[in-house]
Amino acid sequence: QKEVEQNSGPLSVPEGAIASLNCTYSDRVSQSFFWYRQYSGKSPELIMSIYSNGDKEDGRFTAQLNKASQYVSLLIRDSQPSDSATYLCAVTSRGNMLTFGGGTRLMVKP
Amino acid sequence: EAQVTQNPRYLITVTGKKLTVTCSQNMNHEYMSWYRQDPGLGLRQIYYSMNVEVTDKGDVPEGYKVSRKEKRNFPLILESPSPNQTSLYFCASRPTGNSGANVLTFGAGSRLTVL
Repeated sequence: QKEVEQNSGPLSVPEGAIASLNCTYSDRVSQSFFWYRQYSGKSPELIMSIYSNGDKEDGRFTAQLNKASQYVSLLIRDSQPSDSATYLCAVTSRGNMLTFGGGTRLMVKP
Repeated sequence: EAQVTQNPRYLITVTGKKLTVTCSQNMNHEYMSWYRQDPGLGLRQIYYSMNVEVTDKGDVPEGYKVSRKEKRNFPLILESPSPNQTSLYFCASRPTGNSGANVLTFGAGSRLTVL
């Protein structure tokens, strides 16, 4: 079992809709959770971090964490074509080391 | 400008020909790391370094070497490259400690093809 799992997609949503990206992790002692966005051929960039259960909002992005279910999600409201990218979930484990999921490719259609 | 610089950005080489991918950061970060990215597998850590002269294996270290003689530099060495090392490589750095922990700054990536 992978330590951090994501559906590879592609997840296709129409412009203006809510995109919901999901991630599960296996290490129960994980403390920190991150979402990185990666455009094709580019390096990942951090868009959200979350450390405690519940929701964290930043503009059109909301990260949701449920440690009991070992589940973290990213919601993108009012999706735009420029949001089309691969979204990588990352989780700290094994002494503060970061483990990445395989990424979910999001396509926002005009 | 705060950045992580990798070179070369693109390289085509042949099996067995030693190569080095350089990585340099100007942010005085203690922690540096190398990842490889392959389709569907996300970012997998090759080696990391917590500080000068301190390096450790990540998840996929076979076929790679690293060194950390200076804080700013963390080169990745492929002594005898093989086709299964064809991949996109990223160097990344961050400060240690709880402040901004795990907020990695990535280099632009190095696309390596081994024939």
